Amino acid sequence: AAGVIQSPRHLIKEKRETATLKCYPIPRHDTVYWYQQGPGQDPQFLISFYEKMQSDKGSIPDRFSAQQFSDYHSELNMSSLELGDSALYFCASSFGRGMETQYFGPGTRLLVL
Amino acid sequence: GNSVTQMEGPVTLSEEAFLTINCTYTATGYPSLFWYVQYPGEGLQLLLKATKADDKGSNKGFEATYRKETTSFHLEKGSVQVSDSAVYFCALSLKAAGNKLTFGGGTRVLVKP
Repeated sequence: AAGVIQSPRHLIKEKRETATLKCYPIPRHDTVYWYQQGPGQDPQFLISFYEKMQSDKGSIPDRFSAQQFSDYHSELNMSSLELGDSALYFCASSFGRGMETQYFGPGTRLLVL
Repeated sequence: GNSVTQMEGPVTLSEEAFLTINCTYTATGYPSLFWYVQYPGEGLQLLLKATKADDKGSNKGFEATYRKETTSFHLEKGSVQVSDSAVYFCALSLKAAGNKLTFGGGTRVLVKP
């Protein structure tokens, strides 16, 4: 079965650079969630989208923005990168608002030097 | 706010031993409860879930029962294998809170041959 696809899988950036992470949900899934997992930490919710509209916002820095496109894929844009942004970024998708089960992608590992 | 507390690891076991990972939660409302597993270098995989009180989720020999009276969702497996070595996350979601997942801190399990 098709799974959530994230790209790139690994990314190395310098401080103050920008990064764009992409997420392709499971076909027919219309809801996307982004999470950040720091080293040795549990995942923290950043932001979510349902039917291309932002549906919830968590602890996402103002330097970050995201959107969901007409084909339901989503992009997380990160600017003015800081060392503390180094983390594993997960995207998860689900079908329908209010459906509980989220399926996670393999993550993008971002290293900021 | 909503929160999940799970026992700290690492938990080190011998093969065929019994595994229990305690998980308790605090939530406003009636959450859905999940266990996710993260193998080394990989993303989060849904292990099992329960959506209402007294439901039992089960998968791959793992079980957890939604106990509303004790606000718990402890994970158990009767006979672990080396391949069960991973980090296990307990999580909750609430429809009223946009279904975002709130995770516990994770418990690392190491099974030795």
